[in-house]
Amino acid sequence: GEDVEQSLFLSVREGDSSVINCTYTDSSSTYLYWYKQEPGAGLQLLTYIFSNMDMKQDQRLTVLLNKKDKHLSLRIADTQTGDSAIYFCAVTTGFQKLVFGTGTRLLVSP
Amino acid sequence: GAVVSQHPSWVICKSGTSVKIECRSLDFQATTMFWYRQFPKQSLMLMATSNEGSKATYEQGVEKDKFLINHASLTLSTLTVTSAHPEDSSFYICSARKRQGEAFFGQGTRLTVV
Repeated sequence: GEDVEQSLFLSVREGDSSVINCTYTDSSSTYLYWYKQEPGAGLQLLTYIFSNMDMKQDQRLTVLLNKKDKHLSLRIADTQTGDSAIYFCAVTTGFQKLVFGTGTRLLVSP
Repeated sequence: GAVVSQHPSWVICKSGTSVKIECRSLDFQATTMFWYRQFPKQSLMLMATSNEGSKATYEQGVEKDKFLINHASLTLSTLTVTSAHPEDSSFYICSARKRQGEAFFGQGTRLTVV
């Protein structure tokens, strides 16, 4: 089945850029998502990208997709303490199910 | 954006009782709904996929007789945890999906079985 991997932890200083990486195995994935989860809360859809795109920018967020390497990244510009959360990437499988990565805990220090 | 409402947000129940969790898509018709479970500090694990009007498809290792899923309409799916035990305590999240495109998530239900 689909395997989605993320690094577990990222620490940055306020104002720096954060880059969260994700790798996946199913080359037929059509939609790739980034979700944010704050402590004790559900998931918030941040952004998503179609597989026929290389890049998508949405305000402070930039998503890069390298289909050849099956690598997805989320860049957060000017990271703020309010961005501290767990970030999940998720990809669709051939059966249109969403498979989640392990989540990356982002800690932003002042 | 589309809204998915999950109810209740949290529930405490006694061991041996059943608990029903509702997932509603408020402003769109969801042809497919998914149920996920999240253990503390872990990722979400897909439990089952349900399409309106048909039986749910369960992931390997998920007991279909314990986790009953009903998707009676295009806007409502329910997950019933039957004869709950403390090990069923977890965070359950549903997501609803339009025919194509984004999957929207409910706010999650924290179940505690005592």
